[in-house]
Amino acid sequence: NAGVTQTPKFQVLKTGQSMTLQCAQDMNHNSMYWYRQDPGMGLRLIYYSASEGTTDKGEVPNGYNVSRLNKREFSLRLESAAPSQTSVYFCASSEGHVSGYFGPGTRLLVL
Amino acid sequence: DQQVKQNSPSLSVQEGRISILNCDYTNSMFDYFLWYKKYPAEGPTFLISISSIKDKNEDGRFTVFLNKSAKHLSLHIVPSQPGDSAVYFCAARNQGGKLIFGQGTELSVKP
Repeated sequence: NAGVTQTPKFQVLKTGQSMTLQCAQDMNHNSMYWYRQDPGMGLRLIYYSASEGTTDKGEVPNGYNVSRLNKREFSLRLESAAPSQTSVYFCASSEGHVSGYFGPGTRLLVL
Repeated sequence: DQQVKQNSPSLSVQEGRISILNCDYTNSMFDYFLWYKKYPAEGPTFLISISSIKDKNEDGRFTVFLNKSAKHLSLHIVPSQPGDSAVYFCAARNQGGKLIFGQGTELSVKP
């Protein structure tokens, strides 16, 4: 059991470039989430997916899109990266309980 | 509008003593509160939780206290160990079932 995996671990982008952050879980969870962590801000919810085929906006969705490809995979896309999107991104999944499991994170630097 | 606040960015404690991490919230409709622990370059991991209908939950060295009238919760770690050194996030679940996180407190336990 790998739990929640994220790729890549680290990425540097130039302003205006696009990229997709990948997330997969092998726990058969229905719910998946994308968070960003910034200094002094805690973790903020970007998007979530309550089940395969559904996605909804969280607190800070602007500049991002998501795809729930299947039950296992939930990707986050930046169409035109901005320096304000420099952050650490965490994917998480949960099923029928509150706590959830987090992936190891993707550190993104936008120059 | 920070609904969940951890006002102490850092805390330093001697090994064997008690660590007390604090968290304040503003929304009286939160129904569940959680603490997560995060090591550098890893994702947060769930530590302990408490329902809003309880005022205390204990798990080994970790105890969470909830004071609903003061909208305050705290995490007690006793005795503290050097391996407890990490960033601790409190989180609260809102009516939509989503978690709202505090900014985090970095705990350093010195031998």
